[in-house]
Amino acid sequence: TQLLEQSPQFLSIQEGENLTVYCNSSSVFSSLQWYRQEPGEGPVLLVTVVTGGEVKKLKRLTFQFGDARKDSSLHITAAQTGDTGLYLCAGADNYGQNFVFGPGTRLSVLP
Amino acid sequence: DADVTQTPRNRITKTGKRIMLECSQTKGHDRMYWYRQDPGLGLRLIYYSFDVKDINKGEISDGYSVSRQAQAKFSLSLESAIPNQTALYFCATSVRGRYNEQFFGPGTRLTVL
Repeated sequence: TQLLEQSPQFLSIQEGENLTVYCNSSSVFSSLQWYRQEPGEGPVLLVTVVTGGEVKKLKRLTFQFGDARKDSSLHITAAQTGDTGLYLCAGADNYGQNFVFGPGTRLSVLP
Repeated sequence: DADVTQTPRNRITKTGKRIMLECSQTKGHDRMYWYRQDPGLGLRLIYYSFDVKDINKGEISDGYSVSRQAQAKFSLSLESAIPNQTALYFCATSVRGRYNEQFFGPGTRLTVL
C-alpha cells in the first residue's frame, strides 16, 4: 500500500513570510499532484509533476519533485492571506489506477 | 455552471436510515470517484469507476455501495447509516491517462445522529 506523509500538519505564518511544506513517501510515484482546498469546497488541482527533479512555478508557488520520485515540496514566497487553505499532495502509479492522497498541511496566513 | 455537482450539499439523518448521495458531471470524463474526508485523515477512496461497466472498491468500501447509472452519473449509497459515517463526501472525475488528475465536486456534509 502506497502511503504519503505531509509535514507540517499545521502552519500559521504572517503575511509576507516564506514557507515550505513537504510530501514524503517510501514508494515511487509516476506522478505527484498538489491540490488546495478552501473551507466548504472541494480540492482544486494546482500542479502535476512527473519527472524526477522537476521544478514547476505557479506565480509565487514553486513545486519540486524529488530525484527519486518519492517526495515533493511546495514553497510559497511572500505568502498572502489568500493562500490560506489545506494543501494536499497525491501520488499515482504508472497506470494511474493506484492513487493516494496525503493527510494535508493546513496553512493559515495571518494579516 | 459547475462541471461536477453533488446533491444534497448537506444532510442530517438518523442511524439505520438509507442515504443516497448523487454526483453528476458535464466534463465528459470517463472516470469517477467517491471519497470521504475526515479531519487529519485526508481523503480516503471509497469506490471508483473507470467506465459505466466498471466498479471497483477503494480503501474503505465497507458499509457503502455505488451505482454508475451513466457516464455522467455516479451515486453513493449508505445502506444503513451509522454515526462514524459522519464526514464530508466528495465526488471526483478524471480523464483516462497516467496522471489521473482529479476534478472535485463541492462536497456533501453528512451527519448521522
